[in-house]
Amino acid sequence: SYELTQPPSVSVSPGQTARITCSGDALPKQYAYWYQQKPGQAPVLVIYKDSERPSGIPERFSGSSSGTTVTLTISGVQAEDEADYYCQSADSSGTVVFGGGTKLTVL
Amino acid sequence: QVQLQESGPGLVKPSETLSLTCTVSGGSISSYYWSWIRQPPGKGLEWIGYIYYSGSTNYNPSLKSRVTISVDTSKNQFSLKLSSVTAADTAVYYCARTTVTTYIDLWGRGTLVTVSS
Repeated sequence: SYELTQPPSVSVSPGQTARITCSGDALPKQYAYWYQQKPGQAPVLVIYKDSERPSGIPERFSGSSSGTTVTLTISGVQAEDEADYYCQSADSSGTVVFGGGTKLTVL
Repeated sequence: QVQLQESGPGLVKPSETLSLTCTVSGGSISSYYWSWIRQPPGKGLEWIGYIYYSGSTNYNPSLKSRVTISVDTSKNQFSLKLSSVTAADTAVYYCARTTVTTYIDLWGRGTLVTVSS
């Protein structure tokens, strides 16, 4: 079955840039999406179609794609960005898959 | 604006069937896909499946033998049934609106379902 691989954790100091990667064989052909989830809350979409930002999401959130890896970049990280981040994609039949999640710690 | 609300028992016995309903308010259930997603305590997100308002479905292969998702457009609701549950099915269950390109643009608040005797 199709899998997406994320690092379990990423740590960054306030004001620095955080990069969270997601790898999967189908990513060159399928869009990737990113969600932010804070404790006790439902996830929130922060990036769609690899690099598009929904309205209301700060400009410091950006996405990029290269081959089988997509990257969520958070520039000028703030304390409020500390959360779990999940990538998501789908295979050619529309079966949805989530990555295992990355815990972003703001030191 | 459109809101989603999960409802159903918070406690289910092992081997029984878990049943949840999601009510869509503030908008029509038509023209979107509707998903169920779960998250075991302290773990990541797992997609269960989705249904189009017309009734076509797509399920997670690992759960397909136990899952049924249905839709009632007259009530603006869609439902999840998961059979033969075990403790491993204990999770927060989210209902969600899903776009044609499969991303989730709207989530319910989630409901915790515990499987225990």
